[in-house]
Amino acid sequence: DIQMTQSPSSMSASVGDRVTITCRASQGISSWLAWYQQKPGKAPKLLIYAASSLQSGVPSRFSGSGSGTDFTLTISSLQPEDFATYYCQQGNSFPITFGQGTRLDIK
Amino acid sequence: EVQLVESGGGLVQPGGSLRLSCAASGFTFSSYWMHWVRQAPGKGLVWVSRINSDGSSTSYADSVRGRFIISRDNAKNTLYLQVNSLRAEDTAVYYCARDRDGPNYYMDVWGKGTTVTVSS
Repeated sequence: DIQMTQSPSSMSASVGDRVTITCRASQGISSWLAWYQQKPGKAPKLLIYAASSLQSGVPSRFSGSGSGTDFTLTISSLQPEDFATYYCQQGNSFPITFGQGTRLDIK
Repeated sequence: EVQLVESGGGLVQPGGSLRLSCAASGFTFSSYWMHWVRQAPGKGLVWVSRINSDGSSTSYADSVRGRFIISRDNAKNTLYLQVNSLRAEDTAVYYCARDRDGPNYYMDVWGKGTTVTVSS
């Protein structure tokens, strides 16, 4: 199975900050990577697919990059509604696997 | 409106069974691969199973293979997960999700989830 490791596991930031979350795959996955946002008690929401493609309706302050084993999710200017948990997910091979999550809190 | 609505969760004893359902609306259900993903209390997301658009092909996580069965009824626009031989570690919220442009394994529409609690 492909292991997905996110860093950091949690972080605090302020509204307006630029934030970067990283995700590393245990083996190469080309660009088969997605990022999701989840708020407490809610279902996950797809933000980025194919490593860097923005899902329809997602604000442009979210962006993704990377290929192979190393990937990043960047939020260019944090908004109050962005405080949530973020997960990466590989779609290269079964079983599909998720990172452990990065909890983003208000500083 | 594109929507997925899960049902069928509940409290069940270890060794018991449930059938989870996911009703789809607002899109052509028969054209999409579908997934089940679960989340134990306070934990992360774990992929459980997937099924292709006509139901002829399925995949499972090792932790549920042989105990869970995914299926679909395209005439009823409904996805199912039969969960058998339940264990305490199966306690979770179970989400159904649509594969964005199958098969590419990105999940673009999610239901709100149904809760399965395994306890005596």
